[in-house]
Amino acid sequence: GAVVSQHPSRVICKSGTSVKIECRSLDFQATTMFWYRQFPKQSLMLMATSNEGSKATYEQGVEKDKFLINHASLTLSTLTVTSAHPEDSSFYICSAPLQGGSGELFFGEGSRLTVL
Amino acid sequence: GNSVTQMEGPVTLSEEAFLTINCTYTATGYPSLFWYVQYPGEGLQLLLKATKADDKGSNKGFEATYRKETTSFHLEKGSVQVSDSAVYFCALPTDSWGKLQFGAGTQVVVTP
Repeated sequence: GAVVSQHPSRVICKSGTSVKIECRSLDFQATTMFWYRQFPKQSLMLMATSNEGSKATYEQGVEKDKFLINHASLTLSTLTVTSAHPEDSSFYICSAPLQGGSGELFFGEGSRLTVL
Repeated sequence: GNSVTQMEGPVTLSEEAFLTINCTYTATGYPSLFWYVQYPGEGLQLLLKATKADDKGSNKGFEATYRKETTSFHLEKGSVQVSDSAVYFCALPTDSWGKLQFGAGTQVVVTP
């Protein structure tokens, strides 16, 4: 099956610093990737759609300058949380659809961000 | 647009009990339907899917039947194990390619 990998799985940073999370499709090319944020009560919030070679599409209410997304290649998308604050602490998950598949998404392992 | 509603949790049950998690959907046409599972501290994994009406998806002892008459895709398992403790999400595609609409998730806790 298609494999999506995220790194790092856990990161702790100080308030005001920036953190980069990588999402890679290991055995397929992903022109599109999705970034989700998961809150403590488990609901998934779609943050943005990452498009290879073009700008990301952000969902309403998501700050573009806070959450920078770069999809530099067909196998890599990055999410950078800039000037992180404690309220940005969360579980971030990326996913990618498989071209020609039946529409399912393949998810990374998730990245737990803790901002002190 | 397409939407999905699933029962709220947490659902707590004993090992070997029968599990049902209800999921109903609203959609244009007959899109594929999915159940994802999220184990503690991990990302989501596809548990099973059904690509057309009346299909039954199955995996790891779980089953779900795509019922167009009742617009439902309920997840069932006849005898749960402690290792089935997880959050389960029902999902279906939106009108944007690759994008899925997820239910709120149902936490299942299985006790020995």
